[in-house]
Amino acid sequence: RKEVEQDPGPFNVPEGATVAFNCTYSNSASQSFFWYRQDCRKEPKLLMSVYSSGNEDGRFTAQLNRASQYISLLIRDSKLSDSATYLCVVRDTGNQFYFGTGTSLTVIP
Amino acid sequence: EADIYQTPRYLVIGTGKKITLECSQTMGHDKMYWYQQDPGMELHLIHYSYGVNSTEKGDLSSESTVSRIRTEHFPLTLESARPSHTSQYLCASRIAGVGETQYFGPGTRLLVL
Repeated sequence: RKEVEQDPGPFNVPEGATVAFNCTYSNSASQSFFWYRQDCRKEPKLLMSVYSSGNEDGRFTAQLNRASQYISLLIRDSKLSDSATYLCVVRDTGNQFYFGTGTSLTVIP
Repeated sequence: EADIYQTPRYLVIGTGKKITLECSQTMGHDKMYWYQQDPGMELHLIHYSYGVNSTEKGDLSSESTVSRIRTEHFPLTLESARPSHTSQYLCASRIAGVGETQYFGPGTRLLVL
């Protein structure tokens, strides 16, 4: 079983739409949680950390449910520039990070 | 922008050659990582380091080695390149701390003929 599982998509949504991505992780002792964005043929870049209380950064909202081992990312009012692959990332109790395969998003004009 | 650099950015090389991929960061981060990523796939950990003179193996470490003689430098060496090594190699670093995230370099795209 993979450490981190994501729906690969692709998600094709119109501009202005709200889209939600989900992710599950297998290690209940995992300590830190993140969403990264990766553009085609580029390196991953941090989008936001995910906290147990949930957190928001502009149009982006992240939620963590430790009991269900579930992480979500909500993007409101999608922009063309949001088109990318979104990676769910989990850090274990050591120093290792585990990456999902990513969810592909295309925002259509 | 993160101050982490990788060279070369692109490399085409023949089978059997020895390759060293360079990674340097100027942020003073203790922890550094090497990942391999094929198109459309997840990142796989190759090696990581807690600090100077400390290295650990990841899932894909068997055909490569690393060294950490200086905090800022974490080179990855493939002793004998094979076509199966064709991939993108990403270096990352982070400061110590539970919530501290990783910063990635721009990657090296390797093609082994």
